[in-house]
Amino acid sequence: GIQVEQSPPDLILQEGANSTLRCNFSDSVNNLQWFHQNPWGQLINLFYIPSGTKQNGRLSATTVATERYSLLYISSSQTTDSGVYFCAVEWLPYKLSFGAGTTVTVRA
Amino acid sequence: EAQVTQNPRYLITVTGKKLTVTCSQNMNHEYMSWYRQDPGLGLRQIYYSMNVEVTDKGDVPEGYKVSRKEKRNFPLILESPSPNQTSLYFCASSLSRGGSTDTQYFGPGTRLTVL
Repeated sequence: GIQVEQSPPDLILQEGANSTLRCNFSDSVNNLQWFHQNPWGQLINLFYIPSGTKQNGRLSATTVATERYSLLYISSSQTTDSGVYFCAVEWLPYKLSFGAGTTVTVRA
Repeated sequence: EAQVTQNPRYLITVTGKKLTVTCSQNMNHEYMSWYRQDPGLGLRQIYYSMNVEVTDKGDVPEGYKVSRKEKRNFPLILESPSPNQTSLYFCASSLSRGGSTDTQYFGPGTRLTVL
């Protein structure tokens, strides 16, 4: 199967700081998604981004498929950004693999 | 409201007692999938379905069964649960886009404990 690695595993931020999360994958993929799991366990899709760059408010993501990585940028972090961020890749039709996640803690 | 629902949300059971976790979506999505989440491992795909009556194994299908008789429902069946199936389970759905998935929408999760 495919290997999906996220870094860093943990990130502690002061409110207002910027950060970059990385997702590396070991083979070509059909698509890539970023998710946020809030402290109550709910999983929310942030980006569907097989390639290129997308922005949504303070969050943006870039996927460079040819180099097998994706980056998630959080700007001006807020306490509500705390939680676990996952990337997931579709490496065969309908088969998704997730990274182990980056746990983000934003302190007021 | 567009949503994916799961029931029950919490379940404590004993080894060997058959159980079913239901999943339903109201978005007319073709694709549905089950995942389990364990600490440090992220989410792992158990089974998925591309459409009614079409299912296939994910990465960790052992000990689980699924069926897709209606487009909106995709139940997960544990015929003889064991303690290593204690986990947090998520159902997800999406449109099917040209032979692959689209944006995934997740249910709220089911926390299962097998004693």
